[in-house]
Amino acid sequence: DVKVTQSSRYLVKRTGEKVFLECVQDMDHENMFWYRQDPGLGLRLIYFSYDVKMKEKGDIPEGYSVSREKKERFSLILESASTNQTSMYLCASSRAGGRREQYFGPGTRLTVT
Amino acid sequence: AQKITQTQPGMFVQEKEAVTLDCTYDTSDQSYGLFWYKQPSSGEMIFLIYQGSYDEQNATEGRYSLNFQKARKSANLVISASQLGDSAMYFCAMREDNQGGKLIFGQGTELSVKP
Repeated sequence: DVKVTQSSRYLVKRTGEKVFLECVQDMDHENMFWYRQDPGLGLRLIYFSYDVKMKEKGDIPEGYSVSREKKERFSLILESASTNQTSMYLCASSRAGGRREQYFGPGTRLTVT
Repeated sequence: AQKITQTQPGMFVQEKEAVTLDCTYDTSDQSYGLFWYKQPSSGEMIFLIYQGSYDEQNATEGRYSLNFQKARKSANLVISASQLGDSAMYFCAMREDNQGGKLIFGQGTELSVKP
């Protein structure tokens, strides 16, 4: 059974803190993605990675960075959290070929106060 | 311009009836893929069904089928024999092959199944 896990379901951080969101997949997928989901705005792509140590900006990368040191792990970093980064964060992974359907983790609901 | 449009923010359906969720898309690519995902209140996105642009037959997965009308650029999801557990948000998404593995999502449709 495919599995994508995220380090926390709920997280509360203070403005200005550095925040790490971790995502691990056990499907040997090449591609990994980070989205944020906000009511009325749907899912928006923050960053994605097609291979270890590679990263590409998505539609809303400002205020975020990522790290992919191992194939199975993709980390999202908020260098200095702000209240407008309060959101649901979803990680996903997919194969590099074929249908490339994405499999998602359970999400992390981040609140920045 | 919106690449994926879901015009129904909310839908109601009676248990055991069929329901169609609308999705239209916009692309100039010849090669692309279309997906439907379900998101229950727990938050996890669940992959339901896939249709490739070159697939001649409509995709089916159990009670889910995708009504693919390429000329009209529509990819509607049909759920047959609705169940209470089908109550959730449903998202249509598209992958354009010249954009790699990225998905573009619609705004979603909230489906409520009434007993």
